[in-house]
Amino acid sequence: GAGVSQSPSNKVTEKGKDVELRCDPISGHTALYWYRQSLGQGLEFLIYFQGNSAPDKSGLPSDRFSAERTGGSVSTLTIQRTQQEDSAVYLCASSRDRAYNGYTFGSGTRLTVV
Amino acid sequence: ILNVEQSPQSLHVQEGDSTNFTCSFPSSNFYALHWYRWETAKSPEALFVMTLNGDEKKKGRISATLNTKEGYSYLYIKGSQPEDSATYLCALGDQFYFGTGTSLTVIP
Repeated sequence: GAGVSQSPSNKVTEKGKDVELRCDPISGHTALYWYRQSLGQGLEFLIYFQGNSAPDKSGLPSDRFSAERTGGSVSTLTIQRTQQEDSAVYLCASSRDRAYNGYTFGSGTRLTVV
Repeated sequence: ILNVEQSPQSLHVQEGDSTNFTCSFPSSNFYALHWYRWETAKSPEALFVMTLNGDEKKKGRISATLNTKEGYSYLYIKGSQPEDSATYLCALGDQFYFGTGTSLTVIP
């Protein structure tokens, strides 16, 4: 596609429910990142996919968080048993390759856990 | 974890004023530094990628400099306009590490 697409744009969920956030990167981009921004905080790295390599999951805050990337394209971030502290804007970014040229970000998913 | 710091945290300037803010980072093992502009309700927009000590990049009224030896980058905005109001983020390396941003408000 022309840009990085994320869905849904907004999600309100009850505490304890599972949610899935989707990212559709730019076609041909091999690198894909997930970040989140909690209220008053900076961008926090969550997970990084590069081609067919094993993802770098070092930023995932707990085992309730997981992500997969199918066929090197679409990625889904899953949060199980959501907590109020999971409320944040979740951003996805993709790039043709690693670093140097910067990344194109999606418009994010605003997750609110009530 | 690399510590990327941005200052000031927020800034209010009058339209027409020039302004600048700072991104500080560890100078060892420098790889690349990225500046992004993030407007409310939009996605971050890449401004500059800087890799070499002494780099200077310019895009319209916005410019940036890089000092990898002392570990800082400056972003300058000349003649600020209300549409420059946004959060300006810097990111280090492979973009695992973002600063917390400088929130700029330009008052008409």
